[in-house]
Amino acid sequence: DTGVSQDPRHKITKRGQNVTFRCDPISEHNRLYWYRQTLGQGPEFLTYFQNEAQLEKSRLLSDRFSAERPKGSFSTLEIQRTEQGDSAMYLCASSTGLTNEKLFFGSGTQLSVL
Amino acid sequence: GQQVMQIPQYQHVQEGEDFTTYCNSSTTLSNIQWYKQRPGGHPVFLIQLVKSGEVKKQKRLTFQFGEAKKNSSLHITATQTTDVGTYFCAGVSDTGTASKLTFGTGTRLQVTL
Repeated sequence: DTGVSQDPRHKITKRGQNVTFRCDPISEHNRLYWYRQTLGQGPEFLTYFQNEAQLEKSRLLSDRFSAERPKGSFSTLEIQRTEQGDSAMYLCASSTGLTNEKLFFGSGTQLSVL
Repeated sequence: GQQVMQIPQYQHVQEGEDFTTYCNSSTTLSNIQWYKQRPGGHPVFLIQLVKSGEVKKQKRLTFQFGEAKKNSSLHITATQTTDVGTYFCAGVSDTGTASKLTFGTGTRLQVTL
């Protein structure tokens, strides 16, 4: 299966710690997205990359959040000084980069901040 | 910013009954997509609508895009237990970033025998 993969599946951390998640998109996909989803809500856009360039960040994304896609392949999302409000499912998605393309989602990383 | 609302939030039906979820955007959309998320799973793409007034069918599922391109609906005929999950609409605003898909609040469907 060459779908979108995310690691780890679950992360439990203490408030104030830093965490990093990894996403491996479908290999030929140029676009990579990060979304956040809390229970009972729809996915909320965080940021996206076209190849290695980060083209948009949500205004909701505080400066404790940083994302990279150094070689245009995998991406990492780091959260510094985690807060309890950061607890959520972090979803990665990829697409080919064509206009109005559908997104392929990974299984997500469930973050719990204690 | 763009907001996408869905109603109802939750619906419980008996197998064989029909189901409809409605999606409304605060801004005109260039296209709308529908995704299904099974309990414990991730969103999976169902369909995309682009044209004003467009109607598409997938077996028991009928999708419609409003004439003003600000609303959409998903209708399931004769629900089955395999239809259980949360259905999200997601749209790209006509005036926003072409690549930023804004998801609706979702409608959770429960189907019992």
